[in-house]
Amino acid sequence: EAQVTQNPRYLITVTGKKLTVTCSQNMNHEYMSWYRQDPGLGLRQIYYSMNVEVTDKGDVPEGYKVSRKEKRNFPLILESPSPNQTSLYFCASSSPGRSAEQYFGPGTRLTVT
Amino acid sequence: GQNIDQPTEMTATEGAIVQINCTYQTSGFNGLFWYQQHAGEAPTFLSYNVLDGLEEKGRFSSFLSRSKGYSYLLLKELQMKDSASYLCAVSLSGGYQKVTFGTGTKLQVIP
Repeated sequence: EAQVTQNPRYLITVTGKKLTVTCSQNMNHEYMSWYRQDPGLGLRQIYYSMNVEVTDKGDVPEGYKVSRKEKRNFPLILESPSPNQTSLYFCASSSPGRSAEQYFGPGTRLTVT
Repeated sequence: GQNIDQPTEMTATEGAIVQINCTYQTSGFNGLFWYQQHAGEAPTFLSYNVLDGLEEKGRFSSFLSRSKGYSYLLLKELQMKDSASYLCAVSLSGGYQKVTFGTGTKLQVIP
């Protein structure tokens, strides 16, 4: 089944404790993105990747890091989480082409206390 | 900067037609997405318009006017399951992968 998976789905952590949210897709997509979704603000792109070892900042990259060492994986790293990073995070993947449909993972709800 | 506007909430009756508008002002433009998002779930793709005009896909249609910075999503024969948020998003120049979303329109379908 074609899918994007994220882990963990739920995470409660404390300020300053490094964490990684994993994202994996099995559709051989070149493009992958991370978004955060907050009430009243909608989905905001954090980082995106056009292929292995090629990443770029989205609209809200501060406090986040990413890496793309393999085509299928695109982990999101929070080196020193803060309470303002409490949010719902989505990973998405897509291929270049006219349809450009993004497939979203199920989401990771992160709470930083 | 990027600016995408859509109504916050709409209510429509089961069986009716509803149009959800989206206006955008962006620096660079490739195309415009519409996504559906049910509460607590991930967004799912509805349409992607690159050229001006109307594209129809079953009960859903999407329209784009690039010169006016305007799009709409038309939902026909509304069903209760269409109650969801509808997200307008613009793909910016430089590649499909740089995407800016509007804040979404929450549609409530009532009997």
